[in-house]
Amino acid sequence: SQKIEQNSEALNIQEGKTATLTCNYTNYSPAYLQWYRQDPGRGPVFLLLIRENEKEKRKERLKVTFDTTLKQSLFHITASQPADSATYLCAPDTGGGNKLTFGTGTQLKVEL
Amino acid sequence: NAGVTQTPKFQVLKTGQSMTLQCAQDMNHNSMYWYRQDPGMGLRLIYYSASEGTTDKGEVPNGYNVSRLNKREFSLRLESAAPSQTSVYFCASSASQGAQLNQPQHFGDGTRLSIL
Repeated sequence: SQKIEQNSEALNIQEGKTATLTCNYTNYSPAYLQWYRQDPGRGPVFLLLIRENEKEKRKERLKVTFDTTLKQSLFHITASQPADSATYLCAPDTGGGNKLTFGTGTQLKVEL
Repeated sequence: NAGVTQTPKFQVLKTGQSMTLQCAQDMNHNSMYWYRQDPGMGLRLIYYSASEGTTDKGEVPNGYNVSRLNKREFSLRLESAAPSQTSVYFCASSASQGAQLNQPQHFGDGTRLSIL
């Protein structure tokens, strides 16, 4: 069955450093992958989408890579700020319509 | 801009009671979704509706029913609530239909449901 893995342990980094979050998937080949941010008590908010034929996508301080050989996506936040503290979810497409399968998310804490 | 609105925000039920979770979007989106989020499990799709008048089962549909009342509204019903249905429920919508795939999903802020 399809499986998505994100590091369940929280990632703690210092302000100004680059945060790198990992999303690994197995047993299928998604056509695209989305990343979302979720704050406590709120619904997920869309950040970036990357397609299988794209190696990298950038938006301001955010960068996503998609390696279909390794079956892995990396999500980078450069010059991180305390306001970036949240849980980040990866969501590859499930292969039908616009359905997504969400990972369990990685909690990022940016400390002063 | 309301986006996706879910009601109620909180609810406590007794086992066996029924209730309907309401969801409405004002973005003229074709597709709508219901998810549940449990600790350590991530978001799991319960039902989705690709367009008005159609609904399909997701990963965990047992114990739930849905109604796509019109393009704006998509409700989730628990006919006989069970403690295992204690969760946070999220509704989402997206612009996807047909060739317009790969569209982001827009989420409401959830309904926190406890079943005793």
